[in-house]
Amino acid sequence: SQKIEQNSEALNIQEGKTATLTCNYTNYSPAYLQWYRQDPGRGPVFLLLIRENEKEKRKERLKVTFDTTLKQSLFHITASQPADSATYLCALPRRYGGSQGNLIFGKGTKLSVKP
Amino acid sequence: EAGVTQFPSHSVIEKGQTVTLRCDPISGHDNLYWYRRVMGKEIKFLLHFVKESKQDESGMPNNRFLAERTGGTYSTLKVQPAELEDSGVYFCASSERGGGRNNEQFFGPGTRLTVL
Repeated sequence: SQKIEQNSEALNIQEGKTATLTCNYTNYSPAYLQWYRQDPGRGPVFLLLIRENEKEKRKERLKVTFDTTLKQSLFHITASQPADSATYLCALPRRYGGSQGNLIFGKGTKLSVKP
Repeated sequence: EAGVTQFPSHSVIEKGQTVTLRCDPISGHDNLYWYRRVMGKEIKFLLHFVKESKQDESGMPNNRFLAERTGGTYSTLKVQPAELEDSGVYFCASSERGGGRNNEQFFGPGTRLTVL
């Protein structure tokens, strides 16, 4: 079955440093991969999508890479700020013959940025 | 524009009782999804509506769960009778027809269900 692993449950870094989160998947070749942010008591919020034919995508201080050979995505937050503290989720579309868009999520990595 | 809303935000019920969760998607969004997060686990897909039709309900745990989307607008998820293992946070999400450019799903804040 399709599986996603986010290697770290928690990541603590100092303000101003770059946070790097990892997402690995198995038994699957997804057409795209998404990253979401979730704050306590709230639902996930979409951040970025990267497609299988894209190596890298950037949005402001965020950068996502996608290595389909390694079956891995890296999510970077540069010049991190305490406001970046949240849980970050990796998500892939389920693979089956039905509708598109249903997502498989990783457990998430809880990022804490200390001032 | 209002986001996805869910009601109630919290529900505490006893085993064997019935609970109905409601989701109001973003206006105009054809796709509506239900997900659930059990403590310590990842968010898992339950069901997908396209307008009023169930596109995929392969994630529904068992026949104690019934989802409806009358008129293709809001959706309800009923659990009857509730069991202890049904406890968790139930998220609803919606997206545009075809998913939009990024297949972005817009999530509600969730309903935290506790079954005692």
